[in-house]
Amino acid sequence: AQSVTQPDIHITVSEGASLELRCNYSYGATPYLFWYVQSPGQGLQLLLKYFSGDTLVQGIKGFEAEFKRSQSSFNLRKPSVHWSDAAEYFCALKSGFQKLVFGTGTRLLVSP
Amino acid sequence: DVKVTQSSRYLVKRTGEKVFLECVQDMDHENMFWYRQDPGLGLRLIYFSYDVKMKEKGDIPEGYSVSREKKERFSLILESASTNQTSMYLCASSSWWGPTGPERMKNTEAFFGQGTRLTVV
Repeated sequence: AQSVTQPDIHITVSEGASLELRCNYSYGATPYLFWYVQSPGQGLQLLLKYFSGDTLVQGIKGFEAEFKRSQSSFNLRKPSVHWSDAAEYFCALKSGFQKLVFGTGTRLLVSP
Repeated sequence: DVKVTQSSRYLVKRTGEKVFLECVQDMDHENMFWYRQDPGLGLRLIYFSYDVKMKEKGDIPEGYSVSREKKERFSLILESASTNQTSMYLCASSSWWGPTGPERMKNTEAFFGQGTRLTVV
């Protein structure tokens, strides 16, 4: 079955430090992959997406993600974290017939 | 901008009540989704619809039903609310996805509403 795994429930990063959030997927075909961010009390906002082509994808707010087929991974990165990046981050996979499957999320805390 | 609007941000209902959660999108999207979000469990798909009057069960459809009479509107129905249905409910919409079809539909994403926090007492 198709699935998305985000192994880190919480991550704390100092402001200005780099960030990497992990995402692994299980899917038999070429995946469509997404990263969404959710600020407290809000809906989900798309950060970036991968459908095909270049495996390094640029998104909004300075985020990027790299698709690695050999590792079944789609990790999210940012070179320098800002306090406003504190939020919950979700990796998602378009799975099967028009379905979108999410990981359990990673909550990012930013320390001063 | 795409807008997905959920009718309520907060709802409090009593056990056994019939509850309707409404979602409207303004981008003529084919697909609409209902998820529930619980701490530590992420977003779990309840139902989705890829066309008017069409619906597919997601991963946790028990205790829920849906209705899609018009393309822009997708309703989630709790026939008899229970306390274990206390949760955040998120609606989303997207264009038809897939490797085939018009180019405009191949490279798209799901757009989400603000969510409805439902408490069943």
